[in-house]
Amino acid sequence: GENVEQHPSTLSVQEGDSAVIKCTYSDSASNYFPWYKQELGKRPQLIIDIRSNVGEKKDQRIAVTLNKTAKHFSLHITETQPEDSAVYFCAAADSWGKLQFGAGTQVVVTP
Amino acid sequence: EAGVVQSPRYKIIEKKQPVAFWCNPISGHNTLYWYLQNLGQGPELLIRYENEEAVDDSQLPKDRFSAERLKGVDSTLKIQPAELGDSAVYLCASSLGKRTGGDETQYFGPGTRLLVL
Repeated sequence: GENVEQHPSTLSVQEGDSAVIKCTYSDSASNYFPWYKQELGKRPQLIIDIRSNVGEKKDQRIAVTLNKTAKHFSLHITETQPEDSAVYFCAAADSWGKLQFGAGTQVVVTP
Repeated sequence: EAGVVQSPRYKIIEKKQPVAFWCNPISGHNTLYWYLQNLGQGPELLIRYENEEAVDDSQLPKDRFSAERLKGVDSTLKIQPAELGDSAVYLCASSLGKRTGGDETQYFGPGTRLLVL
């Protein structure tokens, strides 16, 4: 089955700086890579996703890049704000369509 | 549009007691998922339904866990008897279910936080 590794586990950034979270996956047949943001006690919310036929996708301050050859994908948040503080999860859908989540990254944006 | 609804939001029970969680997916979503989320970890799939059929329950501990989605809409997840290690957040998610290849967006409910004493 699919195995997703996520780094770093915690990330502290100053407001206005950029944050980068990296994930690797094992199943070369995986074709869908969503990113979820989860605030304390809240539901995971989809913030951006990318499919395997695309190398990069951007939505305002958030971007995701995918390198299928190397089997890794990354989340980039620019001009971070305090409300970006949360746990971020990457995930990959394996060849059976099952989502495998990474362990999460706790992002803390300090004013 | 209403999101995925779950109840109860919180549940405290003593070990060996039964417990049930309920989920109502987004209207029109054929696929429903139950996930387990332990503290500090990502969600782990327990079971996936396509309409009323359980198509992936390989991660469901069937000795104590059961689930049903009788009419292909609402779903119930049950634990009997509960153990201390079952304390976690139980998340329900849904997706349209009309695409193939696994690249469907999943929308999560708020979860049920279970504490087993």
